[in-house]
Amino acid sequence: EAQVTQNPRYLITVTGKKLTVTCSQNMNHEYMSWYRQDPGLGLRQIYYSMNVEVTDKGDVPEGYKVSRKEKRNFPLILESPSPNQTSLYFCASSNRGGYAEAFFGQGTRLTVV
Amino acid sequence: GDSVTQMEGPVTLSEEAFLTINCTYTATGYPSLFWYVQYPGEGLQLLLKATKADDKGSNKGFEATYRKETTSFHLEKGSVQVSDSAVYFCALGNFNKFYFGSGTKLNVKP
Repeated sequence: EAQVTQNPRYLITVTGKKLTVTCSQNMNHEYMSWYRQDPGLGLRQIYYSMNVEVTDKGDVPEGYKVSRKEKRNFPLILESPSPNQTSLYFCASSNRGGYAEAFFGQGTRLTVV
Repeated sequence: GDSVTQMEGPVTLSEEAFLTINCTYTATGYPSLFWYVQYPGEGLQLLLKATKADDKGSNKGFEATYRKETTSFHLEKGSVQVSDSAVYFCALGNFNKFYFGSGTKLNVKP
């Protein structure tokens, strides 16, 4: 089954404690991206990757890092989380960048206290 | 820059009513347009898409037409069901990025 898998689904952490949210896809897609979803703001892109070792900033990259060492994996790293990063996060992949359907993971609800 | 604007919600309809959710966009070049649906506790799922002007996307009774002259991609359904209750997102894909509207929550009452 074609899917994007994120872990964990729920996470509560404290300010400043580094965390990683994992994302993996099994569709051999070159393009992967991360979004955060906040009420009234829709989804905003954090980072995207066009291929292995190729990443670029989206619209709200501050406070986040990513890496793309393998085609299937695209982890999101918060080195020093702050309460304003409390949000619902989605990973997505596509086989043709912004021109083709994006497949989304189930989401990770992060709370930073 | 590129952007998407969709109508505010929530939208509340009775079962079998006609649905329209408005979406307009601003873009350079030749973007693809999408409607996604999000059910509670789940990720976004593609509902329909259109990749060029005058294309009509359709799925599960929903339709939207890519109108370049009015820069619009309105979502319509002739007869909604309770099971259509969800949040609907209009989205634009261009080059390496996707841009999403703020979402419209649809409530359908029996």
